[in-house]
Amino acid sequence: EVQLVQSGAEMKQSGESLKISCKGSGYNFKEYWMAWMRQTPGRGLEWMGVIFPRDYDVRYNPSFKGQVTISVDKSINTAHLQWTSLKASDTGIYYCARGWWVVVEPLWYDFWGPGTLVSVSS
Amino acid sequence: DIVMTQSPDSLAVSLGGRATINCKSSQSVFFGLNREDHLAWYQQKPGQPPKLLIYWASTRQSGVPDRFSGSGSGTDFTLTISDLQPEDVAVYYCQQYYDSPHTFGQGTNLEIK
Repeated sequence: EVQLVQSGAEMKQSGESLKISCKGSGYNFKEYWMAWMRQTPGRGLEWMGVIFPRDYDVRYNPSFKGQVTISVDKSINTAHLQWTSLKASDTGIYYCARGWWVVVEPLWYDFWGPGTLVSVSS
Repeated sequence: DIVMTQSPDSLAVSLGGRATINCKSSQSVFFGLNREDHLAWYQQKPGQPPKLLIYWASTRQSGVPDRFSGSGSGTDFTLTISDLQPEDVAVYYCQQYYDSPHTFGQGTNLEIK
């Protein structure tokens, strides 16, 4: 059974750093894209970027590039999303999701983690 | 970025009735090389992550009831839910995967009338 388990909710102050995680199990972790999405009441669902664990290929949404870092630790089947300096506008629910692919390109997202709530106060 | 616009924003349908949700992309998401429309539909219930319903615009994900169907091509797509059940109350999103960044519609809130 495919499962994505995300780290717990975080409450942070502006300017702090943060790294959240998503551990995959029940499938060959290295052979599927892992995406990160943000969901907020004001901006809806946003695709932040994806990583292909096998070769560490990372694609960022230009809106998030430079603001976050997507990484993966293949040894523990875990993907990470990190910030070096949080802003209040980073508040939201962050989902990881497994990406199906054809010819190396990520397509739809067939399994999602339960989400990590990140709250940043200014 | 490709902008995905859904209509209506919210919808109330009677139990057993039919719900129709529309999604329009700002440019065609039909990919000539594989002759597929690069569009997916998701269902999100309160407090849960989105769940994949349909990909390639009309292919149901395994386990999704056949009451859910997708249609359309190019820039105009429709999700139809027939014989509406109480468990279908949710927000529905379309997503294009034709181009990066992948983008979602703003969501359509489906309720029971």
